[in-house]
Amino acid sequence: EDQVTQSPEALRLQEGESSSLNCSYTVSGLRGLFWYRQDPGKGPEFLFTLYSAGEEKEKERLKATLTKKESFLHITAPKPEDSATYLCAVQDQGGSEKLVFGKGTKLTVNP
Amino acid sequence: GAVVSQHPSRVICKSGTSVKIECRSLDFQATTMFWYRQFPKKSLMLMATSNEGSKATYEQGVEKDKFLINHASLTLSTLTVTSAHPEDSSFYICSVPGQGTYEQYFGPGTRLTVT
Repeated sequence: EDQVTQSPEALRLQEGESSSLNCSYTVSGLRGLFWYRQDPGKGPEFLFTLYSAGEEKEKERLKATLTKKESFLHITAPKPEDSATYLCAVQDQGGSEKLVFGKGTKLTVNP
Repeated sequence: GAVVSQHPSRVICKSGTSVKIECRSLDFQATTMFWYRQFPKKSLMLMATSNEGSKATYEQGVEKDKFLINHASLTLSTLTVTSAHPEDSSFYICSVPGQGTYEQYFGPGTRLTVT
C-alpha cells in the first residue's frame, strides 16, 4: 500500500530563515510525486511534479528535490505570504490516477 | 493548469437530508474528475473517480449508495451525499487531471456541516 509521511507536522520560521520540509514515501512504482500548497479553507494549489530521482524543480523561493525514498521542499528566505500547509502526494505507476497524500506540514513565517 | 469551480462553498444541512455538490471544469473538458474528502488534521483521501458516460469508481470503504456521483457532462460532476449524518461533516474537494500531465488541479472545496 502506498504511503506518504511528511515532517515536521508544523514549522515556524522567521522571515528570511531558510529551511526544508520532508516527504518520505513508499510506493511500488512511482509515476510522480507532487507538491501542493493549501491555504486555510481552500483547495490545494499545484506547485511541482517530480518524476525521477535526481530531478529538481524551482519556483520563486521554493525548490523541490527527489530521491528514491523522499522528497524535500526547500524554502529560501521565506516571507510571511509563504505561510500555508504544504502537501506531498504520490501517484503509483499502476493504472489508477489516484493521489495518495501525506498529512502536510503547516508552515508559519513570522515577520 | 486547469481552473475548477465548486458550488456551494459552504452548506449546512440537517441530519437525514441530502445535499448536492457541483464541480465544474471551466477551461477544458474532463472525461475524468476526482472527489476527495479532508477531515481536520487528516490527509486528503480519494473517495471516488467520476467517469463521464459511465459509472463512478469508488475507493474501498466508501459507500456508493450514500455518495452518489453523476458525471453529467464533460465539464460537470456532482456528488450527492444522501441521508447525511454528522460524521459526514467534512471538506469535500474535487479535482481534474491536467491535460497530458499527471498532476491534478483542485477546486476551492465545499465545507459540509451536518447538524
